[in-house]
Amino acid sequence: EVQLVESGGGLVQPGGSLRLSCAASGFTFSSYEMNWVRQAPGKGLEWVSYISSSGSTIYYADSVKGRFTISRDNAKNSLYLQMNSLRAEDTAVYYCARDGGYDYEDAFDIWGQGTMVTVSS
Amino acid sequence: QSALTQPASVSGSPGQSITISCTGTSSDVGSYNLVSWYQQHPGKAPKLMIYEGSKRPSGVSNRFSGSKSGNTASLTISGLQAEDEADYYCCSYAGSSTNWVFGGGTKLTVL
Repeated sequence: EVQLVESGGGLVQPGGSLRLSCAASGFTFSSYEMNWVRQAPGKGLEWVSYISSSGSTIYYADSVKGRFTISRDNAKNSLYLQMNSLRAEDTAVYYCARDGGYDYEDAFDIWGQGTMVTVSS
Repeated sequence: QSALTQPASVSGSPGQSITISCTGTSSDVGSYNLVSWYQQHPGKAPKLMIYEGSKRPSGVSNRFSGSKSGNTASLTISGLQAEDEADYYCCSYAGSSTNWVFGGGTKLTVL
């Protein structure tokens, strides 16, 4: 079964750091581009970051640029998001999402269940 | 980059058809045939329903269809069923500087 499982969320104080992980299974992880997408409580979806299959190309939303770092370990079938200098407005459910590749170009075809990040003092 | 514009809510009765619009700009929806639509039930992860504007992934009902005209994309759901009640989000690729932009979401109520 194709699956993405996020972990690492929790409660953190403003200015703090957190590292999210996303474990992939059921597909050849190293062949797919990956993304992080977040959803603030009661709000819509917001794309956060992209990483190419090799990790050589990375993009960020302006709202997190300079504070968040996306990375991947293809040997461990894992995607990461290092979040520093966290703000209250970063409070959200964070989803890892697979880019559909040649099958579903530039669409997010597989999503994890999400991990909640709460930034509060 | 501003979010794409969707109506906050739409409703319809079982068996009817509804259409959700998604308005962007010439920098996103108007420039790329890369609009996707997602269905999200409460407390669940989003599910891909339409990609490349009008294509359905395997397993998605043919009651769901997508189209685009200029800077506006649309999702149509025909033969409404109770299980279609959910939030729907559009998303467009917007180039290498902005990458992806989502709509604000539309809550579909099946009366």
